[in-house]
Amino acid sequence: DAGVTQSPTHLIKTRGQQVTLRCSPKSGHDTVSWYQQALGQGPQFIFQYYEEEERQRGNFPDRFSGHQFPNYSSELNVNALLLGDSALYLCASSSTGQGTRVTEAFFGQGTRLTVV
Amino acid sequence: AQTVTQSQPEMSVQEAETVTLSCTYDTSESDYYLFWYKQPPSRQMILVIRQEAYKQQNATENRFSVNFQKAAKSFSLKISDSQLGDAAMYFCAYRSARLYNNNDMRFGAGTRLTVKP
Repeated sequence: DAGVTQSPTHLIKTRGQQVTLRCSPKSGHDTVSWYQQALGQGPQFIFQYYEEEERQRGNFPDRFSGHQFPNYSSELNVNALLLGDSALYLCASSSTGQGTRVTEAFFGQGTRLTVV
Repeated sequence: AQTVTQSQPEMSVQEAETVTLSCTYDTSESDYYLFWYKQPPSRQMILVIRQEAYKQQNATENRFSVNFQKAAKSFSLKISDSQLGDAAMYFCAYRSARLYNNNDMRFGAGTRLTVKP
C-alpha cells in the first residue's frame, strides 16, 4: 500500500505565477483534503473534495482552487502567488463511509512551496 | 468555531523518562474526535493516538496514552519511556463527528519535543 503520495516534494515559484500540486490518496480512500502549514504553525484547512466536488472550504481566497478526478486523486491550484503563500501543503485522505463513523485521515509528506 | 490550543511551544524530556503534552479545545459540539499527530523532520504527519468523545475510557497505544477530560475540554498526551525517535513536533487536532462534515480538522500550533540522551 503506497499510502498518500504528493508531488512535487519541493517547488519554487515567482510571485504572480500559478502552481499546481498533486495528491494521490491512500488505496480505498475517496475523500481528499488539503491543508496549508506555514512555518512554525499547525496545518490550516483549505478545502475537501469528495465525489469530484468541493464539499467543504476553509477561510482561503478564491485564488485557491482544486479538483478531484474519477480515480479520487486531487489537484490544488493556486493563482497569482503571493510571498505569503510560501508554506508546506499537505494532502490528507480518508474514507467517507456509508453511514459509518469517521475514519482516520492519512497524510502525505507534503509539498514545500517557496514563492520568491 | 472550534479552536485548539497547545500552550507549550517546546518541551524536553530525558530518554526513558515520561513527558506530558497539554492540549485544550473549545467546542459546542458533544460528538467529536481528538487526535495527536507527530510530525518528524520528514514532514509527514503520523497519527499517534485518537480519542472519541463519547468514550469515557482514555485511549492508549503502547507507550502513548491520553488524559481526556471532556468537561474541562482538555486532552493531554503522555509519552512513557521516551525514546530518541519520539523527538518531533506534536500536534493536537479536533474533528467533528458530523457526517459529511468530518474532515475539517482543527490543529493546535504544535509542541516541539526534544529527547535528551
